Amino acid sequence: EVQLVESGGGLVQPGGSLRLSCAASGFTLSSYWMSWVRQALGKGLEWVANIKEDGSEKHYVDSVKGRFTISRDNAKNSLYLQMNSLRAEDTAIYYCARYSGESSFLNWGQGTLVTVSS
Amino acid sequence: IQMTQSPSTLSASVGDRVTITCRASQSISSWLAWYQQKPGKAPQFLIYKASSLQSGVPSRFSGSGSGTEFTLTISSLQPDDFATYYCHQYISYPITFGGGTKVEIK
Repeated sequence: EVQLVESGGGLVQPGGSLRLSCAASGFTLSSYWMSWVRQALGKGLEWVANIKEDGSEKHYVDSVKGRFTISRDNAKNSLYLQMNSLRAEDTAIYYCARYSGESSFLNWGQGTLVTVSS
Repeated sequence: IQMTQSPSTLSASVGDRVTITCRASQSISSWLAWYQQKPGKAPQFLIYKASSLQSGVPSRFSGSGSGTEFTLTISSLQPDDFATYYCHQYISYPITFGGGTKVEIK
């Protein structure tokens, strides 16, 4: 069974940093692109970033370019999102997802809440 | 690419046939997926490539369309189907979602 478990969320001040992690199991992480998708409370879904199987290609939504970095460690079955220069508008539940170019977001974790507030 | 869903809210009864529309601001061929989300839960994958049903998804769900106009149809609404539904395009980056359609009990 595919499982994705996010961690690392919490309360951070504007301008601060946070690193999210996603532990993957039940599939071979190195065979899939992976994604981060976020959802502000009571709002819709917003794609944040994608990373290729070997980490050689990355894509970001414009609003996080230069501030967020997606990375992975296939040996540790883990996906990461380093978030710097955080803003109030980054407050959201962050989901990691297994991604396929044919099928899109195949599986989702339960999410981790990031709150940016002073 | 902008994705527009309609309606934003839909009131229906158990057994009703329900149709949700998703429009893209430019052609996305068939690179469209649909998700169901219940309150406090992660989205669940329903349909990919506009009309392909994900394994394990009930056959009352179906998708159609290509180019810029797409529909998600629930042939006979069940109590478990009251939720919010999202479409998104994945033909190009940035991947973009529609605003969602909440299906409520009438």
